[in-house]
Amino acid sequence: AAGVIQSPRHLIKEKRETATLKCYPIPRHDTVYWYQQGPGQDPQFLISFYEKMQSDKGSIPDRFSAQQFSDYHSELNMSSLELGDSALYFCASSLRGKGSYEQYFGPGTRLTVT
Amino acid sequence: AQTVTQSQPEMSVQEAETVTLSCTYDTSESDYYLFWYKQPPSRQMILVIRQEAYKQQNATENRFSVNFQKAAKSFSLKISDSQLGDAAMYFCAYTSGGTASKLTFGTGTRLQVTL
Repeated sequence: AAGVIQSPRHLIKEKRETATLKCYPIPRHDTVYWYQQGPGQDPQFLISFYEKMQSDKGSIPDRFSAQQFSDYHSELNMSSLELGDSALYFCASSLRGKGSYEQYFGPGTRLTVT
Repeated sequence: AQTVTQSQPEMSVQEAETVTLSCTYDTSESDYYLFWYKQPPSRQMILVIRQEAYKQQNATENRFSVNFQKAAKSFSLKISDSQLGDAAMYFCAYTSGGTASKLTFGTGTRLQVTL
Protein backbone atom coordinates (compact mmCIF):
# COMPACT_ATOMS: atom_id res chain seq x y z
CA ALA A 1 0.00 0.00 0.00
CA ALA A 2 1.16 3.51 -0.77
CA GLY A 3 2.49 5.52 2.15
CA VAL A 4 3.16 9.16 2.88
CA ILE A 5 6.20 10.42 1.00
CA GLN A 6 8.42 13.17 2.29
CA SER A 7 11.33 14.87 0.61
CA PRO A 8 14.08 15.48 1.18
CA ARG A 9 14.86 12.94 3.89
CA HIS A 10 17.81 14.92 5.17
CA LEU A 11 18.55 18.60 4.87
CA ILE A 12 21.45 20.66 6.15
CA LYS A 13 21.11 24.44 6.17
CA GLU A 14 22.94 27.34 7.71
CA LYS A 15 21.43 29.91 10.03
CA ARG A 16 19.27 32.49 8.30
CA GLU A 17 18.79 30.29 5.25
CA THR A 18 15.47 29.04 3.88
CA ALA A 19 14.24 25.45 3.64
CA THR A 20 11.28 23.85 1.86
CA LEU A 21 9.95 20.47 2.93
CA LYS A 22 7.57 18.53 0.73
CA CYS A 23 4.89 16.01 1.58
CA TYR A 24 2.85 13.71 -0.65
CA PRO A 25 -0.08 12.20 1.27
CA ILE A 26 -1.54 8.76 0.81
CA PRO A 27 -3.72 8.80 -2.34
CA ARG A 28 -7.32 9.91 -1.66
CA HIS A 29 -6.45 11.23 1.80
CA ASP A 30 -7.93 14.69 2.24
CA THR A 31 -6.05 16.00 5.29
CA VAL A 32 -2.37 16.74 5.80
CA TYR A 33 -0.68 17.51 9.11
CA TRP A 34 2.81 18.78 9.92
CA TYR A 35 4.60 17.94 13.17
CA GLN A 36 7.98 18.88 14.59
CA GLN A 37 9.89 16.48 16.83
CA GLY A 38 12.92 17.81 18.66
CA PRO A 39 15.57 15.49 20.12
CA GLY A 40 14.13 13.39 22.93
CA GLN A 41 10.71 15.02 22.61
CA ASP A 42 7.27 14.02 21.45
CA PRO A 43 5.95 15.35 18.13
CA GLN A 44 4.42 18.81 18.31
CA PHE A 45 1.65 19.83 15.95
CA LEU A 46 2.43 22.71 13.61
CA ILE A 47 -0.37 23.07 11.07
CA SER A 48 -2.97 21.09 9.13
CA PHE A 49 -4.90 21.35 5.88
CA TYR A 50 -8.25 19.84 4.98
CA GLU A 51 -9.22 19.83 1.32
CA LYS A 52 -6.47 22.37 0.59
CA MET A 53 -7.66 24.84 3.22
CA GLN A 54 -5.82 25.48 6.47
CA SER A 55 -7.90 23.85 9.18
CA ASP A 56 -5.87 24.11 12.37
CA LYS A 57 -2.74 25.83 13.56
CA GLY A 58 -0.46 24.93 16.44
CA SER A 59 2.76 26.38 17.73
CA ILE A 60 4.15 27.25 14.31
CA PRO A 61 6.59 30.18 14.22
CA ASP A 62 5.71 33.14 12.02
CA ARG A 63 8.87 32.35 10.04
CA PHE A 64 7.19 29.16 8.86
CA SER A 65 4.41 28.92 6.31
CA ALA A 66 2.70 26.05 4.60
CA GLN A 67 0.19 25.31 1.92
CA GLN A 68 -1.56 22.43 0.25
CA PHE A 69 -1.75 22.33 -3.52
CA SER A 70 -4.44 21.17 -5.95
CA ASP A 71 -2.85 17.71 -6.15
CA TYR A 72 -3.02 17.54 -2.32
CA HIS A 73 0.71 17.61 -1.78
CA SER A 74 1.87 20.06 0.84
CA GLU A 75 4.96 22.16 1.40
CA LEU A 76 6.35 23.60 4.61
CA ASN A 77 8.47 26.70 4.02
CA MET A 78 10.87 27.74 6.73
CA SER A 79 12.74 31.03 6.55
CA SER A 80 15.42 32.73 8.67
CA LEU A 81 16.39 29.35 10.06
CA GLU A 82 17.64 29.18 13.63
CA LEU A 83 19.70 26.52 15.39
CA GLY A 84 16.61 25.60 17.39
CA ASP A 85 14.77 24.62 14.22
CA SER A 86 16.95 21.51 13.97
CA ALA A 87 14.47 18.68 14.34
CA LEU A 88 12.65 15.85 12.62
CA TYR A 89 9.68 17.14 10.65
CA PHE A 90 6.86 14.74 10.02
CA CYS A 91 4.02 14.95 7.60
CA ALA A 92 0.97 12.80 8.23
CA SER A 93 -2.24 12.26 6.32
CA SER A 94 -5.73 11.02 7.08
CA LEU A 95 -9.13 10.57 5.45
CA ARG A 96 -11.01 12.93 7.74
CA GLY A 97 -13.94 13.40 5.39
CA LYS A 98 -14.84 9.76 5.92
CA GLY A 99 -14.68 10.14 9.68
CA SER A 100 -11.33 8.43 10.00
CA TYR A 101 -8.93 10.23 12.30
CA GLU A 102 -6.11 7.75 12.02
CA GLN A 103 -3.04 9.62 10.94
CA TYR A 104 -0.37 7.89 8.90
CA PHE A 105 3.07 9.37 9.13
CA GLY A 106 5.77 9.77 6.54
CA PRO A 107 9.38 8.86 7.30
CA GLY A 108 10.19 12.45 8.26
CA THR A 109 12.69 15.04 7.10
CA ARG A 110 15.66 15.51 9.35
CA LEU A 111 16.64 19.17 9.30
CA THR A 112 19.99 20.24 10.67
CA VAL A 113 20.72 23.94 11.01
CA THR A 114 24.39 24.84 11.47
CA ALA B 1 -6.63 22.05 26.61
CA GLN B 2 -6.26 18.32 26.29
CA THR B 3 -3.26 16.72 27.91
CA VAL B 4 -1.80 13.24 27.64
CA THR B 5 0.39 11.78 30.37
CA GLN B 6 2.69 8.80 30.21
CA SER B 7 4.20 8.31 33.64
CA GLN B 8 6.65 5.55 32.72
CA PRO B 9 9.68 6.98 30.92
CA GLU B 10 11.19 3.51 30.52
CA MET B 11 9.98 -0.05 30.78
CA SER B 12 11.71 -3.37 30.30
CA VAL B 13 10.27 -6.77 29.42
CA GLN B 14 11.73 -10.17 28.72
CA GLU B 15 11.15 -11.76 25.36
CA ALA B 16 7.86 -13.73 25.24
CA GLU B 17 6.55 -11.97 28.37
CA THR B 18 3.72 -9.45 28.65
CA VAL B 19 4.10 -5.75 29.41
CA THR B 20 1.61 -2.94 29.97
CA LEU B 21 2.30 0.69 29.16
CA SER B 22 0.19 3.31 30.93
CA CYS B 23 -1.44 6.44 29.57
CA THR B 24 -3.89 8.89 31.07
CA TYR B 25 -5.49 11.88 29.44
CA ASP B 26 -7.57 14.86 30.34
CA THR B 27 -10.43 16.14 28.20
CA SER B 28 -13.86 17.66 28.54
CA GLU B 29 -15.00 16.15 25.25
CA SER B 30 -17.34 13.18 25.17
CA ASP B 31 -16.31 11.96 21.75
CA TYR B 32 -12.65 11.49 20.90
CA TYR B 33 -10.08 9.04 19.61
CA LEU B 34 -7.02 7.52 21.21
CA PHE B 35 -4.00 5.94 19.58
CA TRP B 36 -0.75 4.22 20.37
CA TYR B 37 2.17 4.91 18.05
CA LYS B 38 5.48 3.07 17.97
CA GLN B 39 8.71 4.87 17.10
CA PRO B 40 11.65 2.46 16.58
CA PRO B 41 15.24 3.67 16.21
CA SER B 42 14.52 4.49 12.56
CA ARG B 43 12.28 7.32 13.98
CA GLN B 44 9.37 6.24 11.76
CA MET B 45 6.01 6.78 13.52
CA ILE B 46 3.97 3.59 13.19
CA LEU B 47 0.31 3.38 14.17
CA VAL B 48 -0.14 0.41 16.49
CA ILE B 49 -3.75 0.56 17.60
CA ARG B 50 -6.70 2.94 17.89
CA GLN B 51 -9.73 3.27 20.15
CA GLU B 52 -12.87 5.30 19.59
CA ALA B 53 -14.24 6.71 22.83
CA TYR B 54 -17.82 5.77 21.93
CA LYS B 55 -16.90 2.10 21.70
CA GLN B 56 -16.99 0.17 24.94
CA GLN B 57 -15.11 -2.80 23.56
CA ASN B 58 -11.37 -2.64 23.94
CA ALA B 59 -9.42 -2.64 20.67
CA THR B 60 -7.14 -5.54 19.80
CA GLU B 61 -4.57 -5.91 17.03
CA ASN B 62 -2.81 -9.26 17.12
CA ARG B 63 -0.44 -9.16 20.16
CA PHE B 64 -1.45 -5.60 21.03
CA SER B 65 -4.53 -4.76 23.05
CA VAL B 66 -5.76 -1.80 25.06
CA ASN B 67 -7.55 -1.36 28.34
CA PHE B 68 -9.75 1.68 27.84
CA GLN B 69 -11.35 3.05 30.99
CA LYS B 70 -13.34 6.10 29.89
CA ALA B 71 -14.47 7.21 33.34
CA ALA B 72 -10.92 7.03 34.66
CA LYS B 73 -9.54 8.58 31.43
CA SER B 74 -7.05 5.78 31.18
CA PHE B 75 -5.79 4.07 28.02
CA SER B 76 -3.11 1.43 28.59
CA LEU B 77 -1.40 -0.73 25.98
CA LYS B 78 -0.70 -4.40 26.60
CA ILE B 79 1.89 -6.18 24.51
CA SER B 80 1.73 -9.96 24.74
CA ASP B 81 4.47 -12.40 23.74
CA SER B 82 6.97 -9.55 23.48
CA GLN B 83 9.48 -9.74 20.66
CA LEU B 84 12.84 -8.06 20.15
CA GLY B 85 11.28 -6.02 17.36
CA ASP B 86 8.89 -4.44 19.85
CA ALA B 87 11.75 -2.43 21.34
CA ALA B 88 10.90 1.19 20.61
CA MET B 89 9.51 4.42 21.99
CA TYR B 90 5.76 4.20 22.40
CA PHE B 91 3.61 7.31 22.29
CA CYS B 92 0.03 7.60 23.43
CA ALA B 93 -1.95 10.16 21.41
CA TYR B 94 -5.34 11.86 21.57
CA THR B 95 -7.53 13.70 19.11
CA SER B 96 -11.00 15.12 19.52
CA GLY B 97 -11.67 14.68 15.83
CA GLY B 98 -13.70 17.21 13.89
CA THR B 99 -11.95 20.26 12.50
CA ALA B 100 -9.31 20.21 15.24
CA SER B 101 -8.11 16.71 14.57
CA LYS B 102 -4.48 17.32 15.49
CA LEU B 103 -2.81 14.68 17.63
CA THR B 104 -1.67 15.53 21.13
CA PHE B 105 1.06 13.16 22.26
CA GLY B 106 2.30 12.00 25.61
CA THR B 107 6.00 12.17 26.37
CA GLY B 108 6.54 8.54 25.45
CA THR B 109 7.67 5.33 27.10
CA ARG B 110 10.87 3.68 25.95
CA LEU B 111 10.42 -0.09 25.91
CA GLN B 112 13.42 -2.40 26.14
CA VAL B 113 13.06 -6.08 25.29
CA THR B 114 15.64 -8.42 26.79
CA LEU B 115 16.51 -12.03 26.04
